This record gives sequence, C-alpha cells and structure tokens, in this order.
Amino acid sequence: SQQGEEDPQALSIQEGENATMNCSYKTSINNLQWYRQNSGRGLVHLILIRSNEREKHSGRLRVTLDTSKKSSSLLITASRAADTASYFCATVTGGGADGLTFGKGTHLIIQP
Amino acid sequence: DVKVTQSSRYLVKRTGEKVFLECVQDMDHENMFWYRQDPGLGLRLIYFSYDVKMKEKGDIPEGYSVSREKKERFSLILESASTNQTSMYLCASRSQPGTGGYNEQFFGPGTRLTVL
Repeated sequence: SQQGEEDPQALSIQEGENATMNCSYKTSINNLQWYRQNSGRGLVHLILIRSNEREKHSGRLRVTLDTSKKSSSLLITASRAADTASYFCATVTGGGADGLTFGKGTHLIIQP
Repeated sequence: DVKVTQSSRYLVKRTGEKVFLECVQDMDHENMFWYRQDPGLGLRLIYFSYDVKMKEKGDIPEGYSVSREKKERFSLILESASTNQTSMYLCASRSQPGTGGYNEQFFGPGTRLTVL
C-alpha cells in the first residue's frame, strides 16, 4: 500500500537555487524519513523526523513535518550538481518491525 | 562505516529457475528487509525479519520466500522465477527499535534481476 506521495514527480532547477519537495501521507506515523537514490544505486538515508517534532536540520537539508495535515517537506538549500538524484519520503507507522512505506519519489535535476 | 552488501549487482535468470539473492550486513542489526523497486510503483516491501530464524510477510510476498539462519545474512528466494519478477531488489537492515522509536534503515546497492 502506498503511504507517502511526493510532489512534484520531477523538478529541474539551476545550481545554487533551493529545491523543495513535498510528501503527503495517509495514516498516523511514528516517524517520517527522507532518502536519496542516485541512478541505479541503493538508497541513502538523509534525515529522520519523529512525529512529535516539527522541524529538523542537517547541513543543507531542512525537513518540516505537519502531522495535522499529514505532510512533510524537504528543502535543499544552495543546490549542487551532485544533488541530482531521486528523493523518497518513507513512513513508519509503528506496531512492530515492519518496514518503511515509500512514496514514488521526486526526481531532482540540478542544471550546472 | 556501516555496510550492507548484496551478492550480485546484475543477475540474468531463465523462467522457472530457482534464484537466491543474498544480503549481508556488518552492523549487528536485528531487523532486515527485502524490497523490490519498479518504475511507477516505487519500493514495496516483500519480506522482513526481526531476528534470526524469524520472518514476516510484507506487502507483496507471493512468489518469494526468505531465510535468516544467521543474524548477519538474509536471503531472498524466488522458488520458480517468472518474467514479472524482473526488478531491482534492495536489501536493508535496521537496529531494533528502542525507546526513541524506529531508526533509519541502511540499504545495500541493489541487485538488478532480469528473468528471461
């Protein structure tokens, strides 16, 4: 079952600009995580935000979480060509060692 | 540095063959997962294991089985491969959830399986 839905599906911006991706989900969550995937590779964890947190920063990344709207956003500031990748939000609903439920991802292209 | 390795990056098999995909993690994690990734469908959970010799079905277990004989190794088995199992397979591991809740998962590089 698809829990997270990223928006937009694709995003192309100039190097140096900020990139914002959004994620909406349907059910209550324990936490929400963002992952990056470079073409044909595995996923790399970027940041985790718990359901009782509203904002979190890590380097050039800023994540917000609005549990009342069941949505999250990922902001990448001062984008670089190396940020070109697909970005996925994933939710953990709790209740055991169940896996992540992923959205379909946002494909981000940074134009040099 | 944490590491999850998968036995093959690319694999080509024929319909009806039995296929083993191996995943090894060196982080002493209790929980391990197998996902498949398909264009337009994203990542979907096939099976997971929360400890040795334990397994649980995910969202799409049909046509697959798993084995977890040792803590560091989690194998995905396609009993009789079919063309609709052509996909990218991703393994992940995670430490047991604690009082702080669930932690991040660490992913392997993926195995791109083609079934002819």
